Amino acid sequence: QVQLQESGPGLVKPSQTLSLTCTVSGDSISSGSYYWAWVRQPAGKGLEWIGRIYTSGSTNYNPSLTSRVTISIDTSKNQFSLKLSSVTAADTAVYYCARGLWFGTRDYFDYWGQGTLVTVSS
Amino acid sequence: DIQMTQSPSSLSASVGDRVTITCRASQSISTSLNWYQQKPGKAPKLLIYAASNLQSGVPSRFSGSGSGTDFTLTISSLQPEDFATYYCQQSYSTPGTFGQGTKVEIK
Repeated sequence: QVQLQESGPGLVKPSQTLSLTCTVSGDSISSGSYYWAWVRQPAGKGLEWIGRIYTSGSTNYNPSLTSRVTISIDTSKNQFSLKLSSVTAADTAVYYCARGLWFGTRDYFDYWGQGTLVTVSS
Repeated sequence: DIQMTQSPSSLSASVGDRVTITCRASQSISTSLNWYQQKPGKAPKLLIYAASNLQSGVPSRFSGSGSGTDFTLTISSLQPEDFATYYCQQSYSTPGTFGQGTKVEIK
């Protein structure tokens, strides 16, 4: 059974960089037709796709965040990470990591982490 | 970005009711449409992928249909554990945008 677990500071000051790590267990992060993604959800609101990374290191980012976001992967540790710079209160949200799976030419998130709340406040 | 619009935003229904939620894309996305269920304080859970494929372990009362711009999630007989918020998501192009959600509440 694949499991994903987010970790990182729950409180970040405005203008600083939010850093989160997702640890994958139950399978190798390098195996299969997968990608690894971050999704966030402000309190009481909907889901926002942040970006994804393949084990090759190839990335796709949400254009609304691309100037501030970096996703990286460490296959030796079975982890991938999110960095979001110059944060403001608008970045306060629950951050989820997820596994993306390709089904032919279609893809979807089949496993999700439990989510971690990050609050941006001084 | 492709915009996804769900309707209704919320609905009240009784156990045993047939429930239909619709999702419309701002442009054609073929069948690159997924449905997720989210309960309070929990991560989203995949129900349907590629518009009409039931994820393993998901009860058969859930079904999905549609292609192009218009999609439907149907719950054939609503059960107590189905009260939750449902999201559609397009995976046709990045960013993989989500609908705003449909909250299914107890009548």
